[in-house]
Amino acid sequence: KAGVTQTPRYLIKTRGQQVTLSCSPISGHRSVSWYQQTPGQGLQFLFEYFSETQRNKGNFPGRFSGRQFSNSRSEMNVSTLELGDSALYLCASSLVSSPRQSGNTIYFGEGSWLTVV
Amino acid sequence: GQNIDQPTEMTATEGAIVQINCTYQTSGFNGLFWYQQHAGEAPTFLSYNVLDGLEEKGRFSSFLSRSKGYSYLLLKELQMKDSASYLCAVEGFQKLVFGTGTRLLVSP
Repeated sequence: KAGVTQTPRYLIKTRGQQVTLSCSPISGHRSVSWYQQTPGQGLQFLFEYFSETQRNKGNFPGRFSGRQFSNSRSEMNVSTLELGDSALYLCASSLVSSPRQSGNTIYFGEGSWLTVV
Repeated sequence: GQNIDQPTEMTATEGAIVQINCTYQTSGFNGLFWYQQHAGEAPTFLSYNVLDGLEEKGRFSSFLSRSKGYSYLLLKELQMKDSASYLCAVEGFQKLVFGTGTRLLVSP
């Protein structure tokens, strides 16, 4: 079956702009999580959605938002982009929300590389 | 709070054994994951531990001690393709928290 699909793969934006990233989870998976990955900070949790509801949120400013649709596809939006938002944004899907067991692990997409100039 | 520590970088030679340690302090504990991430690629699942002890899966094994807040990933018979970052992640209360990862370089 198809894996987690993220679009776009690469994008360049200027400061002050906004960006929307899309994620299609593995078929049947209802949980979608978003992470920001940077060389210095590693993988930082942004938020998780399950059945269209935000289950949990990380420590990011309100400029970072997300949503999930009835087909489990998810989008995340970053408004008023800053240089420090340049990162790899990873989406992960899972059958169930936390707590997970090994059979319900999370699977990552290839990510969206965002560069803010 | 959440704190997960891993060494930043390790080097080893082909055919050797390497142990990557992870110590954690998190609010709540449901399980510990190890992921492998090659440069420019998505992290891929390696192992999951919820009970104390060693889980063996081919060349890779993962150990957990909940009382010590400690885990390690053991890689045997190292191959060049094992050069990657290895991420330790702890599932606490409703979310998965990742360490910054250990970059492993395998040399011939």
